[in-house]
Amino acid sequence: AQSVAQPEDQVNVAEGNPLTVKCTYSVSGNPYLFWYVQYPNRGLQFLLKYITGDNLVKGSYGFEAEFNKSQTSFHLKKPSALVSDSALYFCAVAPNDYKLSFGAGTTVTVRA
Amino acid sequence: DAGITQSPRYKITETGRQVTLMCHQTWSHSYMFWYRQDLGHGLRLIYYSAAADITDKGEVPDGYVVSRSKTENFPLTLESATRSQTSVYFCASSEWGGAEQFFGPGTRLTVL
Repeated sequence: AQSVAQPEDQVNVAEGNPLTVKCTYSVSGNPYLFWYVQYPNRGLQFLLKYITGDNLVKGSYGFEAEFNKSQTSFHLKKPSALVSDSALYFCAVAPNDYKLSFGAGTTVTVRA
Repeated sequence: DAGITQSPRYKITETGRQVTLMCHQTWSHSYMFWYRQDLGHGLRLIYYSAAADITDKGEVPDGYVVSRSKTENFPLTLESATRSQTSVYFCASSEWGGAEQFFGPGTRLTVL
């Protein structure tokens, strides 16, 4: 069975500083990995995904993520955070199909 | 308008009543999904559908029923609501199994 861990419930950074949201996963086979963002009282929005190919994936709003197979990690990064990046971020994994398992989420707060 | 919609957005019901949550998408996506979101659990897959008349269970299907007679609609029914089904429910759709999923705005259900 697959699982996803987001070890930090909350991440706080100052605007302009780098932002990292951590994700580790456990799945058999080659995983499909996703990041989604949720703003208050809204549905989830897709940020980026890794299926195969380059380990560094670039996504929406300046976000990127690096797939590390040996560490089974897929951390989300942004070089310079904005106040508008404050939201709830979810990592999700699927074992080469569509049955996504989501992490519990990480609340990001970017202070001005 | 194009997109994915859910109705109602808010629902309060009583234990034992039947409740149906509606989901409609205008993209003709093959895949549709129902998730529930609870604090500390992220999103958990209830049911999914790969095409009209094809549905299958996800991680937490007990107490729920789905149908998909038309590609664009994927209603979720709670046959006899229980307090443990108080949650926020999200519908999502995608073009194919490994593609990014597009989420509806959610339905906040309270079972008294």
